[in-house]
Amino acid sequence: EDQVTQSPEALRLQEGESSSLNCSYTVSGLRGLFWYRQDPGKGPEFLFTLYSAGEEKEKERLKATLTKKESFLHITAPKPEDSATYLCAVCNFGNEKLTFGTGTRLTIIP
Amino acid sequence: NAGVTQTPKFQVLKTGQSMTLQCAQDMNHEYMSWYRQDPGMGLRLIHYSVGAGITDQGEVPNGYNVSRSTTEDFPLRLLSAAPSQTSVYFCASRPRDRGGGPEAFFGQGTRLTVV
Repeated sequence: EDQVTQSPEALRLQEGESSSLNCSYTVSGLRGLFWYRQDPGKGPEFLFTLYSAGEEKEKERLKATLTKKESFLHITAPKPEDSATYLCAVCNFGNEKLTFGTGTRLTIIP
Repeated sequence: NAGVTQTPKFQVLKTGQSMTLQCAQDMNHEYMSWYRQDPGMGLRLIHYSVGAGITDQGEVPNGYNVSRSTTEDFPLRLLSAAPSQTSVYFCASRPRDRGGGPEAFFGQGTRLTVV
């Protein structure tokens, strides 16, 4: 059974204070690992897909990396508008299903 | 291009009532799915469909029915609502196969309360 564990559950940072969110996963065959951003009262919004260990993707202040066991979402010099819940999910080669972690709630304090 | 549209946005039901949550997408995606999101539980897959006429169960299917008569629509039916079905429901769609696992597009959610 595929599993995704995200840590920490919640993270409060000062504006400009860089940090990383962790996503540990177990999956029999990784088809893709996804990062989503979710704002309160909204549906998840796609950020990145990573396919193989060593891959990195960047978008503005966010950078996602992937190893064989975990993925990190690095946030550099965050701004208050980066406050959201960040979700990680894996897709298995054997099926079409996405398995989600419980998310990290990020708060950036001005 | 509206993406994934869910209706209603909010609903209150009494225990034992039935209702249908609507989901429509205009991106011609083959794959559609329903999730529920509960505090501390993450998004859990209820049912999914890989194309018109084909549906299958996810992680938490009990108490829910689905059908897929067209590519665009994927309604979720609650047969006899129970308080345990109080949750936020999300519909998602994506193209069937882009080799690496295509990203899913989510609707804005339906917040359901069963009293």
